[in-house]
Amino acid sequence: GEDVEQSLFLSVREGDSSVINCTYTDSSSTYLYWYKQEPGAGLQLLTYIFSNMDMKQDQRLTVLLNKKDKHLSLRIADTQTGDSAIYFCAEIPSGGSYIPTFGRGTSLIVHP
Amino acid sequence: DVKVTQSSRYLVKRTGEKVFLECVQDMDHENMFWYRQDPGLGLRLIYFSYDVKMKEKGDIPEGYSVSREKKERFSLILESASTNQTSMYLCAIESGAATEAFFGQGTRLTVV
Repeated sequence: GEDVEQSLFLSVREGDSSVINCTYTDSSSTYLYWYKQEPGAGLQLLTYIFSNMDMKQDQRLTVLLNKKDKHLSLRIADTQTGDSAIYFCAEIPSGGSYIPTFGRGTSLIVHP
Repeated sequence: DVKVTQSSRYLVKRTGEKVFLECVQDMDHENMFWYRQDPGLGLRLIYFSYDVKMKEKGDIPEGYSVSREKKERFSLILESASTNQTSMYLCAIESGAATEAFFGQGTRLTVV
């Protein structure tokens, strides 16, 4: 079945870059997503990448996709304390089930 | 703006009570999902629904049931609440085209 893996914690200094990695298993996914969850809130879509792209840049965010290795990463440039949150990698398979599957979430801690 | 509204932000219930968690969407999306989120375990799928009166079990359906009498409303029911059901519950919707999933703000349920 589908499985999405990501590391649980990442700690960075303010101003540095953060890189959050994710591996997924379902190659039928049309889109792959990064969601952000701030404390006590639901998940909000941060960015996404279409499966036929290798890279997508959106201001401080860069998403890299390696389809061969089924590896997705999110890079946050100039990380700020407001970026502290849990980041979820997600896929929605297009092969029929359309069930969003999430990784366990990476807690990003940004310290001064 | 997409709205997925969960009826309560915080809820405290006693062991053995019947608990209803409501989710209402304004997007006319077919697919609706209930997840629970626990530290270190990420989001786990409880139940989902593809259409009115249709429901499918997710990964952890034990102790829960659901109801979808109208397209816009998907209810999660804890028949007899137990302390191990203390968790954050998240409702999500998806259009059926393997595109973005939208989330409610979450209900933090405490069973005492």
